[in-house]
Amino acid sequence: QKEVEQDPGPLSVPEGAIVSLNCTYSNSAFQYFMWYRQYSRKGPELLMYTYSSGNKEDGRFTAQVDKSSKYISLFIRDSQPSDSATYLCAMYSGGGADGLTFGKGTHLIIQP
Amino acid sequence: DGGITQSPKYLFRKEGQNVTLSCEQNLNHDAMYWYRQDPGQGLRLIYYSQIVNDFQKGDIAEGYSVSREKKESFPLTVTSAQKNPTAFYLCASRDRGDSPLHFGNGTRLTVT
Repeated sequence: QKEVEQDPGPLSVPEGAIVSLNCTYSNSAFQYFMWYRQYSRKGPELLMYTYSSGNKEDGRFTAQVDKSSKYISLFIRDSQPSDSATYLCAMYSGGGADGLTFGKGTHLIIQP
Repeated sequence: DGGITQSPKYLFRKEGQNVTLSCEQNLNHDAMYWYRQDPGQGLRLIYYSQIVNDFQKGDIAEGYSVSREKKESFPLTVTSAQKNPTAFYLCASRDRGDSPLHFGNGTRLTVT
């Protein structure tokens, strides 16, 4: 079983729709959860960073973490064509300096 | 502007040649990382360094080497021993503690 599962898509939705992106994980030690956005031929850009369970909102983006279900989500409201990108979830147990564990990314397409 | 600079953006080499990818950061971050990204595989950790003159192997270190002589610089050498070197290489850094990773814009290496 892979540590982090993420549907690769592509996920295609019309402009203005609410988008839901999800990851599941198996390692209960993960405490820090991140969402990155990556445009083609660019590096990942940090969107959201959360610790433990709960919700965090930043503009049109909301991150949710449910540690009991080992499930994290990213919601995008009022989606725009500029949101078309690959979204990577990442997580980390904390306390060390080793790298993050990434999902493989979901390719999102917002149709104008 | 603070950030991570990777150069060059595109690199072409013949099989059997070693090649060095540059990564410089002016964020004053302690830890630096190298990831490899292949289509459908997600990000995989090659090497990381928490402090000058110290570094650790990641999940796929074979065929790669690094150095950390200065805090702001973490070059990656792809040696001729790397069986499948063609990939997108991403450098990242992180401040102390459990802060998230920040990425550069990558180097696309093509070996023929």
